[in-house]
Amino acid sequence: SQTIHQWPATLVQPVGSPLSLECTVEGTSNPNLYWYRQAAGRGLQLLFYSVGIGQISSEVPQNLSASRPQDRQFILSSKKLLLSDSGFYLCAWNPYTGELFFGEGSRLTVL
Amino acid sequence: SQQGEEDPQALSIQEGENATMNCSYKTSINNLQWYRQNSGRGLVHLILIRSNEREKHSGRLRVTLDTSKKSSSLLITASRAADTASYFCATDRQYSSASKIIFGSGTRLSIRP
Repeated sequence: SQTIHQWPATLVQPVGSPLSLECTVEGTSNPNLYWYRQAAGRGLQLLFYSVGIGQISSEVPQNLSASRPQDRQFILSSKKLLLSDSGFYLCAWNPYTGELFFGEGSRLTVL
Repeated sequence: SQQGEEDPQALSIQEGENATMNCSYKTSINNLQWYRQNSGRGLVHLILIRSNEREKHSGRLRVTLDTSKKSSSLLITASRAADTASYFCATDRQYSSASKIIFGSGTRLSIRP
């Protein structure tokens, strides 16, 4: 069966520090991969999605970037965090049947 | 950008009652999906309805889709305390080779014992 892992689960970072969130999927090949961000009490904002290695589509211009160095690995990064980057970051994958399967999320607090 | 908007934003009902949530969207879609999120957790897929379908059932869930009105509804029958969660609709426009799935703002459902 397929599983998706996200880490770290929680992190507190100072403004201006770098960020790296990692997501891996097991049990499938060539999945579509997604990064979403959720502000407190709000809906999900699509940040990036990827159909394959090195293929990244960006939805929102900001100081975040995404990379897909391996088929089942999706990384969200920032060189310098802003206060507004705080939120709940969710990785998800899509097996071409339509629905998304989500990881447990990474909660980022920027101070 | 958010494609779907749920209504109401919050709903509180007595256990055993039915809960109805609505979703409206703006553009043509390939399918519409409903998800559930318990506080602080990832989302869980509930049901998917394709653009050529009008109604779908799964257990205590009933979803309708009206593409002419660009709207959908999620009905949860005989609610239970464990149904307390946020519910989101999401639309899939099948952009290029990837499904670009956009979520609405969600409905927070509280079930009173």
